[in-house]
Parts: sequence; C-alpha cells; structure tokens
Amino acid sequence: NAGVTQTPKFRVLKTGQSMTLLCAQDMNHEYMYWYRQDPGMGLRLIHYSVGEGTTAKGEVPDGYNVSRLKKQNFLLGLESAAPSQTSVYFCASSYSRRMNTGELFFGEGSRLTVL
Amino acid sequence: KNEVEQSPQNLTAQEGEFITINCSYSVGISALHWLQQHPGGGIVSLFMLSSGKKKHGRLIATINIQEKHSSLHITASHPRDSAVYICAVRSFGNEKLTFGTGTRLTIIP
Repeated sequence: NAGVTQTPKFRVLKTGQSMTLLCAQDMNHEYMYWYRQDPGMGLRLIHYSVGEGTTAKGEVPDGYNVSRLKKQNFLLGLESAAPSQTSVYFCASSYSRRMNTGELFFGEGSRLTVL
Repeated sequence: KNEVEQSPQNLTAQEGEFITINCSYSVGISALHWLQQHPGGGIVSLFMLSSGKKKHGRLIATINIQEKHSSLHITASHPRDSAVYICAVRSFGNEKLTFGTGTRLTIIP
C-alpha cells in the first residue's frame, strides 16, 4: 500500500519551461489537494479536487493548471515556469471532510527550482 | 496577521520533558489538524479534532472552541520527536485549510 506518491521528487527548470507533477493515491480518496510550501510561510493551497473530473482553485492558483481525469491521479502543471514558482510542492488526499474519515495523507514532496 | 498563530516558533528541550505547543486561530472552524513534518520533509497527520481531547501514544491534542485555541502535548519526549509541528484549521463550508507556520521542536538526548 503506497499511500500518496509524488513524482518527480526533484526537478530543475529554466524560466519558461513547462512540466507536470503527478500525484497518485491508492486509497480510493475523493479529495485531493496540491499545496506549496515556502520558507517562513504555512502551506498554501494551489488547487484541489473533490472527486474524479472536478477541479477548483485554491488561494494561489495563478500560473498552475490541474486535471483529475482518474480518481487516483491529480496532476499539477506549470505551463511557463517562473522563478517565483521555486518551492516544495505537496500533494495530499483524504476520503472526506468528515471527522472520522477526514484525515489527510501527504506525499513526500517535490522540490522544484526554476532558474 | 495570519489566521493561525503557533507558539513557540522554536522549542528546544531535554529528553523526557513534557512538551506543549500552542495554536490559536481567529475564525470559526469545523476541524483542526495537527501535523508533523520530519527533517526529511515528509508530512504526517497526527490528529484531526473538533472538540475535546484526543490521545495517541505519548501525544495528546486538546481544543477549546470557545477560546479558539488548541494545544499539542508530548509526554516523555524523545529525540525522535524532533520535527516541525504544524497546526491547520478548516473554516465552516470551506475546502481551504489555513496552516500555521509551524513549531520547530528539538529534543536533546
């Protein structure tokens, strides 16, 4: 049981390049989230999904796109990377928002550097 | 001002000490999460609570909804407890979790 898996774990991009981060979960979770973590700041929500085929913007969505074509996968895309997108990205998932089944499971993080 | 404030920002203690980390928030919430982030970067969920108290092993989490305050306690602390502890709250009807900036805990043998 792998839980939440993110790929790649490290990536260096040049300004203007594009890339996709993949998040895969094998727990049949409905809710999936992409966060970024920057020094001195709390985790911030980029985009999220409440089920297969759905996506919604979080608090810092500019410059990112997402897709959830399959329930187990949540992709985060950077169409034209900028140095401000240098960060550590975390994917998380949960079965629901309810108290008994709302526990969050996180991936190991993906460190992205944009030069 | 961040909606979620944690204190202290940094805490160093001797092995065996009783540890308390505090989280205060400013909005009405439906749930509060305590998370642990190890030096390697991985994040693990410790507790999700909306009232009262939860205990798991040496860890205890409490929440006072009226005072908008939660505490995370660690009894008989151990060097392996060294990590960043993060508080996050979900306001009613909102998908967004608001995260604190974390408390860095170091336990010295």
